[in-house]
Amino acid sequence: EPEVTQTPSHQVTQMGQEVILRCVPISNHLYFYWYRQILGQKVEFLVSFYNNEISEKSEIFDDQFSVERPDGSNFTLKIRSTKLEDSAMYFCASSPGQGLGGGAFGPGTRLTVT
Amino acid sequence: DAKTTQPTSMDCAEGRAANLPCNHSTISGNEYVYWYRQIHSQGPQYIIHGLKNNETNEMASLIITEDRKSSTLILPHATLRDTAVYYCIVRAPSGNTPLVFGKGTRLSVIA
Repeated sequence: EPEVTQTPSHQVTQMGQEVILRCVPISNHLYFYWYRQILGQKVEFLVSFYNNEISEKSEIFDDQFSVERPDGSNFTLKIRSTKLEDSAMYFCASSPGQGLGGGAFGPGTRLTVT
Repeated sequence: DAKTTQPTSMDCAEGRAANLPCNHSTISGNEYVYWYRQIHSQGPQYIIHGLKNNETNEMASLIITEDRKSSTLILPHATLRDTAVYYCIVRAPSGNTPLVFGKGTRLSVIA
């Protein structure tokens, strides 16, 4: 069964460094998303991406964040200058069309900022 | 903020049906009810969704009341592997509309 994959599974970085989290969505899906979950807290929406552009973003997704689909298969989340509070699990998700029923989340990347 | 209310936690004996309630009294006419679960720190897993009719798939059944203000997710024969946090989410079926997760119900299946 096709699945969303994410790399790396765990990323440790120093405050102020740039990080890129990578995702390979399911191949025929059209909508892509990033969510994050700070330890012990709720899963929070960051951004949705469709037709090579951001379609919706949350207040969390400020100028430090950017997304890209560089080659038609990968979907990346970049954090330009990491802060301690960016430490969280980051989940990528994709869906085939309207709605997320039938879509899927990846296993997540645990980002630790020291 | 999440538009749903769920109990914080529930227990269920292994092999018995787990019935997880959800209130969504402010649901709009075009919003679907989605259920996801999260096992430990894994990515959320889609379970089922519905608009107004009851739905069933290989994982679960979804019962939505006629007024659509509440629903129940039923796991017919819970196993230890069903121990997870279960999220009930109401959402319009647009790909651009994000899922808004609440705190969910922590289901513990007990041997």
